[in-house]
Amino acid sequence: GAVVSQHPSRVICKSGTSVKIECRSLDFQATTMFWYRQFPKKSLMLMATSNEGSKATYEQGVEKDKFLINHASLTLSTLTVTSAHPEDSSFYICSAREALGRAAYNEQFFGPGTRLTVL
Amino acid sequence: QKEVEQNSGPLSVPEGAIASLNCTYSDRGSQSFFWYRQYSGKSPELIMFIYSNGDKEDGRFTAQLNKASQYVSLLIRDSQPSDSATYLCAASQGGSEKLVFGKGTKLTVNP
Repeated sequence: GAVVSQHPSRVICKSGTSVKIECRSLDFQATTMFWYRQFPKKSLMLMATSNEGSKATYEQGVEKDKFLINHASLTLSTLTVTSAHPEDSSFYICSAREALGRAAYNEQFFGPGTRLTVL
Repeated sequence: QKEVEQNSGPLSVPEGAIASLNCTYSDRGSQSFFWYRQYSGKSPELIMFIYSNGDKEDGRFTAQLNKASQYVSLLIRDSQPSDSATYLCAASQGGSEKLVFGKGTKLTVNP
């Protein structure tokens, strides 16, 4: 149980294009999903917290107009990197928190990540 | 600033030894604590979580929590080369759904 998927796993795009990444909880309902970014040999950096049916909450320094987040249902959140530039190249990872069960402990389950390369 | 501190390592142990990973946190409002394992190029995988003072054992892994000292540890018994990874400690942020992650400790288990 508690499986989170991400799609695509890897994407290469040209500078200036937009890229959409999907995060799905496969066997549970997620009230909250989180989007992280990780640069090589660095720790996870939380970008935003996404709640179903409401606007995402962005961390300080993260441009909400550049990183568009939509949490359309209890099993799907999307991150769109708009007008991507080479400095946006990174490993983007989502995680999900169960709506029921062990949600009280703030347990997060991570997706496999999406490696974005912007040329 | 709520922080989680870990020794960055690298920590190197021989196969079969006990690996001890440590973590301290600054937010006394943190209620639950997590250890994630991250292999190179992969996303974090939850190993254990603990929310009560004392020890919690799961197979070869034991998590220890001391809220008075704001200290969490993870012991890996009978370490295997497959345990070689970066271990991330995380603490729930009091009053929030967010987790605060440490920078991770890189563990190498030598055959």
